[in-house]
Amino acid sequence: DIQLTQSPSFLSASVGDRVAITCRASQAISSALAWYQQKPGKAPKFLIYAASTLQSGVPSRFSGSGSGTEFTLTISSLQPEDFATYYCQQSYSYPVTFGGGTKVEIE
Amino acid sequence: EVQVEESGGGLVQPGGSLRLSCAASGFTFSDHYMDWVRQAPGKGLEWVGRTRNKANSYTTEYAASVKDRFTISRDDSKNSLYLQMTSLKTEDTAVYYCARVYCTKGVCPLDYWGQGTLVTVSP
Repeated sequence: DIQLTQSPSFLSASVGDRVAITCRASQAISSALAWYQQKPGKAPKFLIYAASTLQSGVPSRFSGSGSGTEFTLTISSLQPEDFATYYCQQSYSYPVTFGGGTKVEIE
Repeated sequence: EVQVEESGGGLVQPGGSLRLSCAASGFTFSDHYMDWVRQAPGKGLEWVGRTRNKANSYTTEYAASVKDRFTISRDDSKNSLYLQMTSLKTEDTAVYYCARVYCTKGVCPLDYWGQGTLVTVSP
């Protein structure tokens, strides 16, 4: 199974900050990586696929990069509604796996 | 508008069975793969399994943790997805999400999710 390791697990930041979350895969997965945002008590929301393609309707302050084994989700200017937990997910091979999550909290 | 909505969760004893349903609308259900994903209380997301579409013979894939206990099926005539769970364990306690799979550019992310249904396995 492909393991996805996210770092950091927790991130404390302020509105307007630029933040970056890393997702490392235990083996190369090309660009078969997606990112999701989840707020407490809510379903995950799809943000980015193919490592860097923004889903329609997602604000442009979100961006994704990387390929192979290392990927990054960047929020260029953190907004109040961005405080949430973020997960990466690989669809390169079965079983589909998710990273452990990164909780972005208000500093 | 694409919508998926789960139902059927509840309290069940260890060793028991439960069937979850997911009703889909707003898209051509028969064209899409569909997934189940779960989230234990306070924990991260765990993929449960997938059913492919008719064009791919409705084949299924499962996580090792549920293989041989859970069965995913679908009824395209009813735009519905199902998860039959047997031999339930306390560690199966979770919110179960149904999600549409969107295959594009050689990747298959989950683009629409339901709100989830809670399954509690407890004596």
